[in-house]
Amino acid sequence: QSVLTQPPSASGTPGQRVTISCFGSRSNIGSNYVYWYQHLPGTAPKFFIFRNNQRSSGVPDRVSGSKSGTSASLAISGLRSEDEGHYYCASWDDSLSGWVFGGGTQLTVL
Amino acid sequence: EAQLVESGGGVTPPGGSLRLSCAASGFTFDDYAMSWVRQAPGKGLEWVSSIKWNGDDTGYADSVKGRFIISRDNAKNSLYLQMSSLRVEDTAFYYCARSGGPNYSHYGMDVWGQGTTVTVS
Repeated sequence: QSVLTQPPSASGTPGQRVTISCFGSRSNIGSNYVYWYQHLPGTAPKFFIFRNNQRSSGVPDRVSGSKSGTSASLAISGLRSEDEGHYYCASWDDSLSGWVFGGGTQLTVL
Repeated sequence: EAQLVESGGGVTPPGGSLRLSCAASGFTFDDYAMSWVRQAPGKGLEWVSSIKWNGDDTGYADSVKGRFIISRDNAKNSLYLQMSSLRVEDTAFYYCARSGGPNYSHYGMDVWGQGTTVTVS
């Protein structure tokens, strides 16, 4: 059971907008930044969104991140086939003194 | 370009030991904290351990505390993970990752290696 909660799957058709949620608590998302990682099949995880809403180098502006209270979300608009993969949220947890990840959301482009 | 290359994975019986290494290149290694993150088969990412830029502060997930030791050699641009008393549930793909700054609690992991497989069986 992951400390951060994500839906196991999300999907959309090309061109659509999809949102992935991430729920945490006061000790993690409520007190610290949220990061998002993209993990495509056969590749290393990629630093995708940092400090809640900052896009990493090379990430297109159709991708955005947000945080409110103890939850966060990742939005991808203009969905493309190359967006298919797993997406993980992460945050530092002050109570656990460690990094916590969500269980990951598998994004499918139909 | 920053690059991380892991090595040292393999197959070991329960109770055995393994030492993972991570060779860094393309950046000033001792400017950054470093971490190990793993992914068990069919599971998500799990933070394992992190170490501050100068090695004087480390952190461990409860699942590995007391069994794994993280260390670094800045002169060799290398990160290590000594794994002991290995369990079947330690079976995973292990990634080496760079933090975005010198302290591992303040920065996410911005560069990742390709990983190395550890099988405990």
